[in-house]
Amino acid sequence: AQSVSQHNHHVILSEAASLELGCNYSYGGTVNLFWYVQYPGQHLQLLLKYFSGDPLVKGIKGFEAEFIKSKFSFNLRKPSVQWSDTAEYFCAVNAHQAGTALIFGKGTTLSVSS
Amino acid sequence: EAGVVQSPRYKIIEKKQPVAFWCNPISGHNTLYWYRQNLGQGPELLIRYENEEAVDDSQLPKDRFSAERLKGVDSTLKIQPAELGDSAVYLCASSLTAVSYEQYFGPGTRLTVT
Repeated sequence: AQSVSQHNHHVILSEAASLELGCNYSYGGTVNLFWYVQYPGQHLQLLLKYFSGDPLVKGIKGFEAEFIKSKFSFNLRKPSVQWSDTAEYFCAVNAHQAGTALIFGKGTTLSVSS
Repeated sequence: EAGVVQSPRYKIIEKKQPVAFWCNPISGHNTLYWYRQNLGQGPELLIRYENEEAVDDSQLPKDRFSAERLKGVDSTLKIQPAELGDSAVYLCASSLTAVSYEQYFGPGTRLTVT
């Protein structure tokens, strides 16, 4: 069965610090990979996605993620976080087939202090 | 473009009572998903519809949960009777089947069972 592991439950950073959130998945076939973000009081929003091609993908608000197939990983990065990045971040995967359900990790809460 | 609409946003009920959640997907999206998100966890799929057909309901507790998607647009998820363990956020998402892997989420319904 597919599963997604997010290594950090809660990350606390100061503004301007660099961010890396780990995500590993287990699935034997071709996958699509996503990072979703949920700001306080808001709904889940797509941050970035990987379907195929360049394994380094860029998303909104300066976030990027790198797909390393050999490590089954899709880590999220941002070189300099802002207070407004405080949110919960979810890594998700689904089979490379349109319409299939997403398997989510448990999420990482990011708290950024100004 | 309007997003996924859900109502109500919050619901508090006593155990053994029935409850229903409503979802209106993005116009033209054929695939509709219901997820449940427990506190401190990522969303988990309950049921997936392709148009009006439920194509994946393996995770739906069918003894108390039911869902329908009349005319392939709006959907209703029902719990009868509710149990304390049903307290969670119920999320609806939609996607364009066959042409898109992306899912768009609604704001969710936060259910509290007392």
